[in-house]
Amino acid sequence: AQSVTQLDSQVPVFEEAPVELRCNYSSSVSVYLFWYVQYPNQGLQLLLKYLSGSTLVKGINGFEAEFNKSQTSFHLRKPSVHISDTAEYFCAVRAPGAQKLVFGQGTRLTINP
Amino acid sequence: EAGVAQSPRYKIIEKRQSVAFWCNPISGHATLYWYQQILGQGPKLLIQFQNNGVVDDSQLPKDRFSAERLKGVDSTLKIQPAKLEDSAVYLCASSLASGGTRAHEQYFGPGTRLTVT
Repeated sequence: AQSVTQLDSQVPVFEEAPVELRCNYSSSVSVYLFWYVQYPNQGLQLLLKYLSGSTLVKGINGFEAEFNKSQTSFHLRKPSVHISDTAEYFCAVRAPGAQKLVFGQGTRLTINP
Repeated sequence: EAGVAQSPRYKIIEKRQSVAFWCNPISGHATLYWYQQILGQGPKLLIQFQNNGVVDDSQLPKDRFSAERLKGVDSTLKIQPAKLEDSAVYLCASSLASGGTRAHEQYFGPGTRLTVT
């Protein structure tokens, strides 16, 4: 079985500052990794995904994430955040051959002007 | 392309009442999912359909929750009777059938926020 831990429940940052949202996973098999964003009163939107290949994955809205197999991590980063990035961010894992996503608890990103 | 549609967006009921949620997936998506998202937590899969067959319902509380996808398109999720702890957002998602990279992407609807009083 897979599990996901998002180490920070809330992350406040100032506008135009860099941000890193941390995600660690546990699995006995190789996994696919995802980051989703949820804006207030909306469903989840895929930011980026790692399936295989390059460990640095670029997504939408200037976000990127790096897969680190030895540390079982998939941290999300953005070099300069904007007010519009205020949202809840979810890390998720999925075993190859399965379609079930297992989500972390979420990290609320708050951008202060 | 049109996204995943859900209705209603909000629902308030008293405990022990019944409630039903509706989902219309993206056209052509064979796989449909219902997730429960309790406040402050990540979504938890309740049930997964492949066309009109159930693939995974291991976390569905079957004594009170039921779901169907009769013609392999729309789906309904029902709770009867509701409990206070059922207060949550119920998300519907869909994806293409397995095979190929795009099959990994799940598209989510806006959700139905249920409050049980």
